[in-house]
Amino acid sequence: ELKVEQNPLFLSMQEGKNYTIYCNYSTTSDRLYWYRQDPGKSLESLFVLLSNGAVKQEGRLMASLDTKARLSTLHITAAVHDLSATYFCAVEETSGSRLTFGEGTQLTVNP
Amino acid sequence: NAGVTQTPKFRILKIGQSMTLQCTQDMNHNYMYWYRQDPGMGLKLIYYSVGAGITDKGEVPNGYNVSRSTTEDFPLRLELAAPSQTSVYFCASRRDRGGSPLHFGNGTRLTVT
Repeated sequence: ELKVEQNPLFLSMQEGKNYTIYCNYSTTSDRLYWYRQDPGKSLESLFVLLSNGAVKQEGRLMASLDTKARLSTLHITAAVHDLSATYFCAVEETSGSRLTFGEGTQLTVNP
Repeated sequence: NAGVTQTPKFRILKIGQSMTLQCTQDMNHNYMYWYRQDPGMGLKLIYYSVGAGITDKGEVPNGYNVSRSTTEDFPLRLELAAPSQTSVYFCASRRDRGGSPLHFGNGTRLTVT
């Protein structure tokens, strides 16, 4: 059974600071997704990572994938309040159609 | 484009009642999914479908049923509702596997009392 673990689960940071969210998974996969969820809202796709060494960037967020270590990171640069949300990683089975989600990282950016 | 549409947005059920959560998508996606999200938690897969007429169980299928008679629709049926089914239910779809992200509906918030 595929297990996906994120850490930290809660992150409170100051504006302007940098931080990294980690996503570890338990079985071989080269398909990893990052989503954002605002309170009371649905999930929005941020990044799709499909190979070892893949790196995607959008604004102050950068995601990367290391399939050998079974690890993805979401790096936040110079955080701003608008980035406050819950961030989920999801891993797709190589041989199937299911996506398994991590528990999410609740990010709060304080002025 | 409407994307993925879920109805109703909110529902309160009494223990033992049944209901159907509706999900429809207008993107001609073959793959559709039902997840539940408990407060402060991640998403758990209930059922999914890779095309009309094909459904399969996810991590937490007990107490639920699905059908997929058309490409567009993927309703989720709750029989004999229990308090443990209080949750937010999300329907999602995607074009295909292996790199297509999920497109989510706005969710149905269900309370069973």
